[in-house]
Parts: sequence; C-alpha cells; structure tokens
Amino acid sequence: DTEVTQTPKHLVMGMTNKKSLKCEQHMGHRAMYWYKQKAKKPPELMFVYSYEKLSINESVPSRFSPECPNSSLLNLHLHALQPEDSALYLCATRSGGAVADTQYFGPGTRLTVL
Amino acid sequence: DAKTTQPPSMDCAEGRAANLPCNHSTISGNEYVYWYRQIHSQGPQYIIHGLKNNETNEMASLIITEDRKSSTLILPHATLRDTAVYYCIVVQGGKLIFGQGTELSVKP
Repeated sequence: DTEVTQTPKHLVMGMTNKKSLKCEQHMGHRAMYWYKQKAKKPPELMFVYSYEKLSINESVPSRFSPECPNSSLLNLHLHALQPEDSALYLCATRSGGAVADTQYFGPGTRLTVL
Repeated sequence: DAKTTQPPSMDCAEGRAANLPCNHSTISGNEYVYWYRQIHSQGPQYIIHGLKNNETNEMASLIITEDRKSSTLILPHATLRDTAVYYCIVVQGGKLIFGQGTELSVKP
C-alpha cells in the first residue's frame, strides 16, 4: 500500500470555526509532513513529524496546530483562520531512513476560509 | 530558498520526447536531485531521483552532468496526460524545498 489519504477533500470554514484536517498512511513511514500550497505557487513546508514527535515548525502561526496521535495518523487543527489561509493543504510521508528516501504525497485538502 | 532554477514553461508535441532542464550549480556533494510533477490540483507525484549517475525508471530518465551542476529529466514519449508542473528539487537537510517548476504543456 503506497497510498496517503487525506480527508476531507474540500473544506469551507468561517473565521471563527474550529476544524481539523486528517492524513493517514499505512506504509509504516515514520516521517510525516504538512505543506501549504497557494494557487499558482509551489508547496511550502509547514511542519515535520519524525517518529511521532514534532521536529520542524517552519514558523507557522499558532492558529495551525499539528498533532500526530500515532504512526499512521497526522492531523492539522485549524482555529481562527484568516481568508488568506485559503489554500491546498498537502500531507506527505517518508520512510524516515536515509536522507534520500522519497516523500509520498496525498491528494490534498482544498480549504476555503470565508 | 530553493537551490534549483528551471524554465517557467515548455511545450512538447505528443509522442515526442520532453527534455526538461534544471540548474543546481550550488549543489553539495551528498545532496540528491529529485523530480516531482503536479497535475492540476492534485498532490505532487514522485518521478525519479539521482545523486551522480544517470537513472531510468518506468516513468522517465534522469541525466546528471558530470559536475552535477545541472540535470535533465527526459519523458521519452510524452502524452497529453504528462501535462503538469515539473519540479526539480535538491533535498536540503531532509526537506524538499520546491522552486517554481516548469509548466509542461503536451500538445496534440
């Protein structure tokens, strides 16, 4: 199984809402990533989890809160977002071994903040 | 910052080879070159990677110059479904730092 799944596919939320994005993998990979991609721009790294511990936070605002409850799941909790946070949110996984190991991406969640 | 530069766009005729160049003149000796592509509104898809030697798989070939300062991704027989943004990436500290990529349009 080489699939990374993300739910929901689309999400519309107001600025006062609390919502969560979910990412799941069953490849036994121990590194998981969140990326943000604005329209017509390349993906930008947000967070990296390694062996279920947060290892990199790319200075992301606290209204984005990641969580890795187990080795197969990665969540991104959203609270008090702004319209400029509307983007495609991508999850990726990597086996966590050598630096050259490949990252596998999910299909993304398209988020719209009203 | 991304360590790669690519042309912003390229066209290719269906059935012909697509050759996508990438410059990475500041690459370090142990840094790998990765290629991903992203079809509109989908997640990036891994294509191929290499360190020094040329590589080939079922999707593409990767040609890396001897000085490792540039590389070329070759899609041997492009189809309409190969229309996508192609990213050449030098992995930095285990992180993929995406540049702007090349938007490849395969035309009938």
